[in-house]
Amino acid sequence: GAVVSQHPSWVICKSGTSVKIECRSLDFQATTMFWYRQFPKQSLMLMATSNEGSKATYEQGVEKDKFLINHASLTLSTLTVTSAHPEDSSFYICSASSARLADQETQYFGPGTRLLVL
Amino acid sequence: TQLLEQSPQFLSIQEGENLTVYCNSSSVFSSLQWYRQEPGEGPVLLVTVVTGGEVKKLKRLTFQFGDARKDSSLHITAAQPGDTGLYLCAGAKGGNMLTFGGGTRLMVKP
Repeated sequence: GAVVSQHPSWVICKSGTSVKIECRSLDFQATTMFWYRQFPKQSLMLMATSNEGSKATYEQGVEKDKFLINHASLTLSTLTVTSAHPEDSSFYICSASSARLADQETQYFGPGTRLLVL
Repeated sequence: TQLLEQSPQFLSIQEGENLTVYCNSSSVFSSLQWYRQEPGEGPVLLVTVVTGGEVKKLKRLTFQFGDARKDSSLHITAAQPGDTGLYLCAGAKGGNMLTFGGGTRLMVKP
């Protein structure tokens, strides 16, 4: 149980285009979803937290207009990287937690999306 | 400064050796999770510890939560090449927000 999927698993795009990444909880309702960014050989860096039906809460230094997050349902959150530039190239990982699960504090991670902006 | 200090950062050992990874903080956590991540994949949950002094075993992996719930350790017995990966500890403080350690990159050579 507690499976999270991400799509696409990797994407290559041209500079200036926008890219949408989907995060889905497959077998549970995710009351909260998180978006992380991970640089090579480093730990996870939280970008934003989103609760279903609410606006996302962004971490300091993360541009809201650059990284658009939508959490439209209890099983789907999307991250759109707008006007992508090469410096946005990274590994983006989502996770989900649920107040309805016994382990409410545990986050379940998706497999990640590798973005390369040319 | 990391709120959750993880050590060592890197560890390269031979197959069959034992190792311990430490996760330390001055803060009290309501729970602590350990994840393992392989290159190009998302972190996979290994265990969640909740009670101070708790010890959980997962085959050759032993997880311990400190009595004061400020620290935790992961001990691997007879490491195998399949144990290679990035190990991450993450603490929660009464909610679903996690504070991550810096990670321990383990390489087990055959």
